[in-house]
Amino acid sequence: EAQVTQNPRYLITVTGKKLTVTCSQNMNHEYMSWYRQDPGLGLRQIYYSMNVEVTDKGDVPEGYKVSRKEKRNFPLILESPSPNQTSLYFCASSLGDSNQPQHFGDGTRLSIL
Amino acid sequence: QKEVEQNSGPLSVPEGAIASLNCTYSDRGSQSFFWYRQYSGKSPELIMSIYSNGDKEDGRFTAQLNKASQYVSLLIRDSQPSDSATYLCAVSGGFKTIFGAGTRLFVKA
Repeated sequence: EAQVTQNPRYLITVTGKKLTVTCSQNMNHEYMSWYRQDPGLGLRQIYYSMNVEVTDKGDVPEGYKVSRKEKRNFPLILESPSPNQTSLYFCASSLGDSNQPQHFGDGTRLSIL
Repeated sequence: QKEVEQNSGPLSVPEGAIASLNCTYSDRGSQSFFWYRQYSGKSPELIMSIYSNGDKEDGRFTAQLNKASQYVSLLIRDSQPSDSATYLCAVSGGFKTIFGAGTRLFVKA
């Protein structure tokens, strides 16, 4: 089954404790992206990757890091999480670039206390 | 700052009616336009994509694009209670995607 898999689905943690949200896709997609979704603000793009070792900032990259060492994986790293990063996070992938429809993972709900 | 604007709603229509959802965008260089549906607590799923001016129909859904007016719309014919969800408009120029905040649709049985 074609899918984008995120882990964990839920996480409650404390300020300053480094965390990683993993994202993996099995569709051989070149393009992958991370979004956060907050009430009233919709989905905002954090980082995207056009292919292995090629990443770039979206609209809200502050406080986040990403890496793309393999085509299928695109982890999101919060090195020193803060309460304003409490949000619902989605990973997505598409064939080619973002001009193609994106397939979304099930989401990760992060709470930073 | 590139923007995508949607009426937040909620938009309420009776079952069987036509629901009309609208979206405007600021970047004239945008190339691709999408409508995603998101049920509460779920991830967005693609409803329609449209790339050129005019109408595109898929079943009960019709997307309309007017690049001169920087306007995208989604019509849902014969609305069903199962169509009740938040509809997200997304606009892309190649590598970045900008989403609107979404319009909540309620279809009353």
